[in-house]
Amino acid sequence: DTGVSQNPRHKITKRGQNVTFRCDPISEHNRLYWYRQTLGQGPEFLTYFQNEAQLEKSRLLSDRFSAERPKGSFSTLEIQRTEQGDSAMYLCASSFRQGSYNEQFFGPGTRLTVL
Amino acid sequence: AQSVTQLDSQVPVFEEAPVELRCNYSSSVSVYLFWYVQYPNQGLQLLLKYLSGSTLVKGINGFEAEFNKSQTSFHLRKPSVHISDTAEYFCAVSVDYGGSQGNLIFGKGTKLSVKP
Repeated sequence: DTGVSQNPRHKITKRGQNVTFRCDPISEHNRLYWYRQTLGQGPEFLTYFQNEAQLEKSRLLSDRFSAERPKGSFSTLEIQRTEQGDSAMYLCASSFRQGSYNEQFFGPGTRLTVL
Repeated sequence: AQSVTQLDSQVPVFEEAPVELRCNYSSSVSVYLFWYVQYPNQGLQLLLKYLSGSTLVKGINGFEAEFNKSQTSFHLRKPSVHISDTAEYFCAVSVDYGGSQGNLIFGKGTKLSVKP
């Protein structure tokens, strides 16, 4: 068990460019979550998957954001036409749903800076 | 809708002193309660959780928290802090959907700064 990994750890891009982040969950975890954390704020929920199905999306997830989890393993989060307001830390978490409570394990995050 | 309020954005304290980080939540339904810690350039690590049962919960690194339903609070305490406890602490809730847990809703965080 190597924990949740995220790549890249840092990304600097120019406004208007597209970026893609990857999250590799803990093996056999069937739930995967994306959160966004801006400076001075706590993480905010964006979306989550159970296996390959995207079950919930926050209103924060604008049309420029898309997330996938093909085959129910790793996930990607793509931001199209980035804006300066997209600058944030993007956190991924995974859990194994068994019963009513499932602890979420967080990755180290991808820090996005949009110039 | 649920919300979490962390009343102090920064808490400075001297080493070996006690500390309390305050958290209040708002919810019309049953929730689970959590405290996470975030060290610089690292992800979030679960400190402790309240799911049900005893209102006093103990976590890692000597931290504990008490769930107070009437005051809708879940304050985090440690009797004697160390320099290594310097980090940002987040209180969070998730809704208990009667058999399934919802996503986490976080407070804005409290930066604990332990001075020698």
